[in-house]
Amino acid sequence: DAGVIQSPRHEVTEMGQEVTLRCKPISGHDYLFWYRQTMMRGLELLIYFNNNVPIDDSGMPEDRFSAKMPNASFSTLKIQPSEPRDSAVYFCASNHQTGGGNEKLFFGSGTQLSVL
Amino acid sequence: EDQVTQSPEALRLQEGESSSLNCSYTVSGLRGLFWYRQDPGKGPEFLFTLYSAGEEKEKERLKATLTKKESFLHITAPKPEDSATYLCAVQVGKTSGSRLTFGEGTQLTVNP
Repeated sequence: DAGVIQSPRHEVTEMGQEVTLRCKPISGHDYLFWYRQTMMRGLELLIYFNNNVPIDDSGMPEDRFSAKMPNASFSTLKIQPSEPRDSAVYFCASNHQTGGGNEKLFFGSGTQLSVL
Repeated sequence: EDQVTQSPEALRLQEGESSSLNCSYTVSGLRGLFWYRQDPGKGPEFLFTLYSAGEEKEKERLKATLTKKESFLHITAPKPEDSATYLCAVQVGKTSGSRLTFGEGTQLTVNP
């Protein structure tokens, strides 16, 4: 398996522009998570999906952020309009949860976002 | 509110110099405590899961332990390739659909 695939690896944009980050989870995983990592705040959960349905979006910082999962193999995180404080590394992760434990997360390599 | 605190923030060791990293947590309904390793420019990579106080897990030079309030990651005779940021995370809740809350990590540097 190729693991969790994120694109692009790096994104540089100007303040006010729309940014779309993409994620392909591991096949067979029914949970997908979007995290943001900064030096100041570490890894923060933004939103997660179960079977393509958003379950908890309480970590989404503002209405400028939105996430979708149109099918089991694709998710997007969109920021519109982007601001310099959105600069961070955005990670997508997935897993399969049965309630039986050992539900470790598999992370992608992340998207390094710089908003100028 | 669930809290996870890791210490120290950064640790420098000489090759072969054993030490421990700490992860203290305040949560209700802990289902599991996870340790991850993160290399620069990469996503976190799973190391261990611990479920109950007294449990221990080992992998090569790493050993993770768990008490009711904290977890330790012991590194025995580290090598330069062990240099990375080590993250701990807690999983709470009693059903599927639980999420991980991460600490801010310990950046470990092992000098040859």
